[in-house]
Amino acid sequence: NAGVTQTPKFRILKIGQSMTLQCTQDMNHNYMYWYRQDPGMGLKLIYYSVGAGITDKGEVPNGYNVSRSTTEDFPLRLELAAPSQTSVYFCASSFPGQTPQETQYFGPGTRLLVL
Amino acid sequence: AQKVTQAQTEISVVEKEDVTLDCVYETRDTTYYLFWYKQPPSGELVFLIRRNSFDEQNEISGRYSWNFQKSTSSFNFTITASQVVDSAVYFCALRTSGTYKYIFGTGTRLKVLA
Repeated sequence: NAGVTQTPKFRILKIGQSMTLQCTQDMNHNYMYWYRQDPGMGLKLIYYSVGAGITDKGEVPNGYNVSRSTTEDFPLRLELAAPSQTSVYFCASSFPGQTPQETQYFGPGTRLLVL
Repeated sequence: AQKVTQAQTEISVVEKEDVTLDCVYETRDTTYYLFWYKQPPSGELVFLIRRNSFDEQNEISGRYSWNFQKSTSSFNFTITASQVVDSAVYFCALRTSGTYKYIFGTGTRLKVLA
């Protein structure tokens, strides 16, 4: 299994451009998440999904959109990129309730620089 | 509201020293789950441990040990005989049973000096 994969690994955007960060998991997890990690900081939840067709906002959803058309994919869309969106973005998936080792499985991250 | 506090921003130790990373959590739920993750300099997030609220048994895994105390709402992580490879940022996280959101602390950066 590949686990959680994210593309691209690194991207530079100009202010006002838009892009989609891709996330795919092959573990048949219902739950998927997008986090951002600013330099030297912890993880902040942007959006999450508990299944195909169901998404909900996290702590910092402004400037982002998500969709969940399949169990495997959970893309994150940035519209009108701003310098404040410069960050590392992590996608994660989980199957809460799995015992004894329920956890979130994280992708390798996408480093985004908005100039 | 749920909250995770990691008051230690950065800790530096000399190799072979023991070090404890503190994690204090807040929740009104009686059923919850606590986690520790490691983020090495390469940037990925590595799962270390999960603990259920109804299981206060401490856990040891090699040089790592975890002390869960509900009375003080703490879930501390101790590394015994630290090594340079332990240098990383360590995150504590909380999930309550009624939600699928994980609340992360701000992390503790551990530097182990040779």
